[in-house]
Amino acid sequence: KAGVTQTPRYLIKTRGQQVTLSCSPISGHRSVSWYQQTPGQGLQFLFEYFSETQRNKGNFPGRFSGRQFSNSRSEMNVSTLELGDSALYLCASSLVPTGNKGYTFGSGTRLTVV
Amino acid sequence: AQTVTQSQPEMSVQEAETVTLSCTYDTSESDYYLFWYKQPPSRQMILVIRQEAYKQQNATENRFSVNFQKAAKSFSLKISDSQLGDAAMYFCAYRRGETSGSRLTFGEGTQLTVNP
Repeated sequence: KAGVTQTPRYLIKTRGQQVTLSCSPISGHRSVSWYQQTPGQGLQFLFEYFSETQRNKGNFPGRFSGRQFSNSRSEMNVSTLELGDSALYLCASSLVPTGNKGYTFGSGTRLTVV
Repeated sequence: AQTVTQSQPEMSVQEAETVTLSCTYDTSESDYYLFWYKQPPSRQMILVIRQEAYKQQNATENRFSVNFQKAAKSFSLKISDSQLGDAAMYFCAYRRGETSGSRLTFGEGTQLTVNP
């Protein structure tokens, strides 16, 4: 059974550009959450999607957005990139949002903004 | 707002020995879940163990066990017979109850080194 797949693994972008990251959950999982991991702020929740609907959103500016497709794959987009957006972006999936068995994470996308 | 605190930025243990990682949390909720995740250099967060707040019995998974003290809001992880492969960053995480979605609140992490 394939795990959570995040693409690309590494990305370098210039300040002011926009970026799209992709997450394919485990087959059958319909809930996808996104997290930002930085040395200074640690792991912070970005948003959660279930059945193509955003259920929860963390405390991030509107430049951060996401969506989920009918096949449960999710994308997140960051527009007008800032240096502080450099981070590891992790995606997690579960069968349903209240995944009592925990969440399966991908290996993340390392975004560097220069 | 819920907070999770891991007061040990770094810990080390000798191979085959036992180590305990600390975690405290703050919440006014009565229904919640607690998790320990491991993040090796490969970056993938791996679930180590989970605990439902309504269960008094401490969770165990092979060499990993927790000491869940609900009144003290403490959730420590004990790793027995430590192995070199246990070396990683360990995160304690909190999630509110059934109807609250999947948002996890993480602690700052504890970097565990296992010495041969």
